[in-house]
Amino acid sequence: QVQLQESGPGLVKPSQTLSLTCTVSGGSISSGGYYWSWIRQHPGKGLEWIGYIYYSGSTYYNPSLKSRVTISVDTSKNQFSLKLSSVTAADTAVYYCARSSQYYVYFDYWGQGTLVTVSS
Amino acid sequence: EIVMTQSPATLSVSPGERATLSCRASQSVSSNLAWYQQKPGQAPRLLIYGASTRATGIPARFSGSGSGTEFTLTISSLQSEDFAVYYCQQYNNWLTWTFGQGTKVEIK
Repeated sequence: QVQLQESGPGLVKPSQTLSLTCTVSGGSISSGGYYWSWIRQHPGKGLEWIGYIYYSGSTYYNPSLKSRVTISVDTSKNQFSLKLSSVTAADTAVYYCARSSQYYVYFDYWGQGTLVTVSS
Repeated sequence: EIVMTQSPATLSVSPGERATLSCRASQSVSSNLAWYQQKPGQAPRLLIYGASTRATGIPARFSGSGSGTEFTLTISSLQSEDFAVYYCQQYNNWLTWTFGQGTKVEIK
């Protein structure tokens, strides 16, 4: 059973960089065949896909966030990470990591989510 | 970007009754549509993919139908644990995957 777990600061100051890590257990990122994504949910709102990474390091980002997003992978630790720069209060959200097939991108495994608040 | 529109925003249903949720795509997504259930404080859970295939462990009372631009999630007999928010998501448009805004199913 694949499990994902987000970790990182719950409070980030405006203009700084939000950094989160997702640790995967029960399966290897290196095995291939899957995209590893970040998705966020603003308080009381819907879901917004941020971007994905493949085990090889190839990435794709939501065009609306592309200029501020970096996703990286550390296969030795079975982790992938999100960095979102120049944050504002509008980036306050619950951030989820999730897995999908690389062929059909629906999300079959999710982390529990972590709330990140942007405030001074 | 394909816009996914769900209706109604809120659905009030009594336990044991049928619930029918709709999802409309702004352009055809073929059968590349998934449904998720989200309870308060929890991550979304995959219910349906391929418009009509139940994910592993999902009870048979959940069914999905539709193709193209019109989709339906039906819960045949609502149980107490089914009161939640439901989202649809299209994955047809490569590299721009989008979700609907959600339908809240509440107790009538």
